Amino acid sequence: EVQLVESGGGLVQPGGSLRLSCAASGFTFSSYWMHWVRQTPGKGLVWVSRISGDGSDADYADSVKGRFSISRDNAKNTLYVQMNSLRVEDTAVYFCARALSSTSLLPAYWGQGTLVTVSS
Amino acid sequence: DIVMTQSPDSLAVSLGERATINCKSSQSVLFRSNNKNYLGWYQQKLGQPPKLLISWASTRESGVPDRFTGSGSGTDFTLTINSLQAEDVAVYYCQQYYGTPYTFGQGTKLELK
Repeated sequence: EVQLVESGGGLVQPGGSLRLSCAASGFTFSSYWMHWVRQTPGKGLVWVSRISGDGSDADYADSVKGRFSISRDNAKNTLYVQMNSLRVEDTAVYFCARALSSTSLLPAYWGQGTLVTVSS
Repeated sequence: DIVMTQSPDSLAVSLGERATINCKSSQSVLFRSNNKNYLGWYQQKLGQPPKLLISWASTRESGVPDRFTGSGSGTDFTLTINSLQAEDVAVYYCQQYYGTPYTFGQGTKLELK
């Protein structure tokens, strides 16, 4: 069974940094693209970033480019996102998600999410 | 960026009746080389993460009841829920994965009438 467990969320001041983690189990982690998606409380879903199975390729939404950095440790089956220069508008629940398959990069399996609150 | 627009924003349907949710993309998400539409549908219940229902616009995921049907191609897509059950109350999202940034529709809230 695919399991994804996010951690690292919390309260941070504007301009601060936070690193989120996503522990994966139940599948061969290094074989799949992984994503971060966020959801503002009461609002819709926004894709944030994705990373290839070997970590060599990554993409970002314009709103986080240059501030967020996605990475993975395949030996630890863990996905990360380093979030710097945080803004109030980055406040959201952050989900990690696994791609459906090697040929479909659609986020298919989701964790429960971790809440990031950016506020002074 | 590809803009995804869903309609309606909310929908109230009686138990046993049909619900229809539409999703329109600002440009085609049909990849000509493999004739696949890079469009997915999700269901999100209160307090839970999204659950993938449909990939490739019309492929139902394992374990998803067959009352959920995805259709459409190019820029216009539909999620149909036949014989609505109480457990189908949720917010439904479409998402394109044709290109980054992957973008979601704004969501359609489905309620019981």
